[in-house]
Amino acid sequence: DTGVSQDPRHKITKRGQNVTFRCDPISEHNRLYWYRQTLGQGPEFLTYFQNEAQLEKSRLLSDRFSAERPKGSFSTLEIQRTEQGDSAMYLCASSSGQGGNTEAFFGQGTRLTVV
Amino acid sequence: QKEVEQNSGPLSVPEGAIASLNCTYSDRGSQSFFWYRQYSGKSPELIMFIYSNGDKEDGRFTAQLNKASQYVSLLIRDSQPSDSATYLCAVMDRGSTLGRLYFGRGTQLTVWP
Repeated sequence: DTGVSQDPRHKITKRGQNVTFRCDPISEHNRLYWYRQTLGQGPEFLTYFQNEAQLEKSRLLSDRFSAERPKGSFSTLEIQRTEQGDSAMYLCASSSGQGGNTEAFFGQGTRLTVV
Repeated sequence: QKEVEQNSGPLSVPEGAIASLNCTYSDRGSQSFFWYRQYSGKSPELIMFIYSNGDKEDGRFTAQLNKASQYVSLLIRDSQPSDSATYLCAVMDRGSTLGRLYFGRGTQLTVWP
């Protein structure tokens, strides 16, 4: 399978716990994005990497959220001290970065439930 | 804040009909537009993209773009029950090579047999 892969697919955690999600982009893609989607809404941008550099962060990304992309390959998104409002689908997408008009492909998502 | 507006629906059409999905956007200088299909509980799947004014056809799907009216649409011909999903309109951040997308809330489409 050469698509974007996310792990885990589902995560249930207690409020206050830390969680970490992983995203493996399409192998030749140097751009990686994290989005969050809640029920009835479109995905909302969280952060963006070009290779290993995190170039943009949304104001939605509070200080409890951190993302990394060591060596420009896979990425992790960590949420510390989870809150019930963090319950959502976390989506990772990647694109090739060739030119300004590039298509982004999404992984299967990680559905987080904070209880 | 860049806005992308879609009629949330639900839009219901019979099998074999044409489904028409509409989207407007606030940033007049936007250049790149995308349609994603999302089945319930699944992630978005890219089905069409369009960069130039006019129509772009791919199989049963046609994307239409009118930059002067800041309007983009998706037509699905010969609709099938398997087309029942939420369709998300997305606009790429203008003037940026970053590829950040702004999404609408999506239009829920139901195709009944």
